[in-house]
Amino acid sequence: QQKVQQSPESLTVSEGAMASLNCTFSDGTSDNFRWYRQHSGKGLEMLVSIFSDGEKEEGRFTAHLNRASLHVSLHIREPQPSDSAVYLCAVRHGSAGNKLTFGIGTRVLVRP
Amino acid sequence: GPKVLQIPSHQIIDMGQMVTLNCDPVSNHLYFYWYKQILGQQMEFLVNFYNGKVMEKSKLFKDQFSVERPDGSYFTLKIQPTALEDSAVYFCASSQGQANQDTQYFGPGTRLLVL
Repeated sequence: QQKVQQSPESLTVSEGAMASLNCTFSDGTSDNFRWYRQHSGKGLEMLVSIFSDGEKEEGRFTAHLNRASLHVSLHIREPQPSDSAVYLCAVRHGSAGNKLTFGIGTRVLVRP
Repeated sequence: GPKVLQIPSHQIIDMGQMVTLNCDPVSNHLYFYWYKQILGQQMEFLVNFYNGKVMEKSKLFKDQFSVERPDGSYFTLKIQPTALEDSAVYFCASSQGQANQDTQYFGPGTRLLVL
């Protein structure tokens, strides 16, 4: 059974400093890795989706995937207070339709 | 971006009663999902639904759960009867397809409290 773990549990950064979040997964056959974020009381907003090893940039958000290490990270460049949210790593099972397994999330607080 | 709506946002119900959670998916989407998140735990897949049928369900999708989308209206999750352990936030999602690049768009969730 797929396990997705995120670290750290929470992260406080100053506005403008890079924020880095980590996610490890257990099933090496997973085929898609996504980062979502959730502002309090809102739905999930997808930030970046990555399929193959290397980097994928979407605006200020960059995902880095290393399948051999079962690791995907998210870097937030020049974070702003409005980026304060819970960031969720989600892993797709290619053999199981579009089912996603989520991590528990990293709570990010960006201080002005 | 595309929006998924969920109604109601909160629901309090007595154990044993029936509850229906409603989801208004993105208009041209064909695949629909429910996820459950117990407070303090990770979001977990319940079920996905396409063309009037359940495609896949997890062990969390108990016999008391059912889903349907009558006449292309709301995609619903019904729990009958409810149990205390059904208290959670239920998230609906939809996607256009099931290919690798198809994004699941999520609603804001319905917070269900079973007393």
